[in-house]
Amino acid sequence: DGGITQSPKYLFRKEGQNVTLSCEQNLNHDAMYWYRQDPGQGLRLIYYSQIVNDFQKGDIAEGYSVSREKKESFPLTVTSAQKNPTAFYLCASSIVGQTFAYEQYFGPGTRLTVT
Amino acid sequence: AQKITQTQPGMFVQEKEAVTLDCTYDTSDPSYGLFWYKQPSSGEMIFLIYQGSYDQQNATEGRYSLNFQKARKSANLVISASQLGDSAMYFCAMSPGRKDSNYQLIWGAGTKLIIKP
Repeated sequence: DGGITQSPKYLFRKEGQNVTLSCEQNLNHDAMYWYRQDPGQGLRLIYYSQIVNDFQKGDIAEGYSVSREKKESFPLTVTSAQKNPTAFYLCASSIVGQTFAYEQYFGPGTRLTVT
Repeated sequence: AQKITQTQPGMFVQEKEAVTLDCTYDTSDPSYGLFWYKQPSSGEMIFLIYQGSYDQQNATEGRYSLNFQKARKSANLVISASQLGDSAMYFCAMSPGRKDSNYQLIWGAGTKLIIKP
């Protein structure tokens, strides 16, 4: 079955440590995205990538970094510069639309807690 | 400014009743897409239904239908015969047609739907 996997589901880190969240998709989608969700809130875009070796900042990219070395993989690193990293992180992918974006398909998410 | 507004932070509905979740949008682009997602307590976002701005008919997917009123800029989600498993957060999203926004969705704040037995 095609889909998006994120690991781990729960992640705990000490303040000051960098942490990398994994996202893999086998849907053959060109575009991938990282979102952050805080309790009771909507989604905020961190980074997105339309093609391998290229990515763009979203609305809240500060304190985060990404790479896109393979079409299937789009890992997110939460650096120590991120002031409030505790949140739920969702990865998504989609095909690339000609006119506007197509629907995005999401992974199960990673809940990151930093203490 | 491009924006999605969901005015209902929470709703309680009796099982088997139909429910309408409101969504209004603001864009000046002539071409755009509208999406609804469901987020159960597990956290995963599940794509439900899509409506293109030039689609003549309202989109339907099983028990889900999208009441698209272009002149009023509304894209309400209708769930027929609600079930207990429909209890979740529901998000409306829009994809503007401008090339520089081509890969981003604009999200609403969500509506928490609780189905009562």
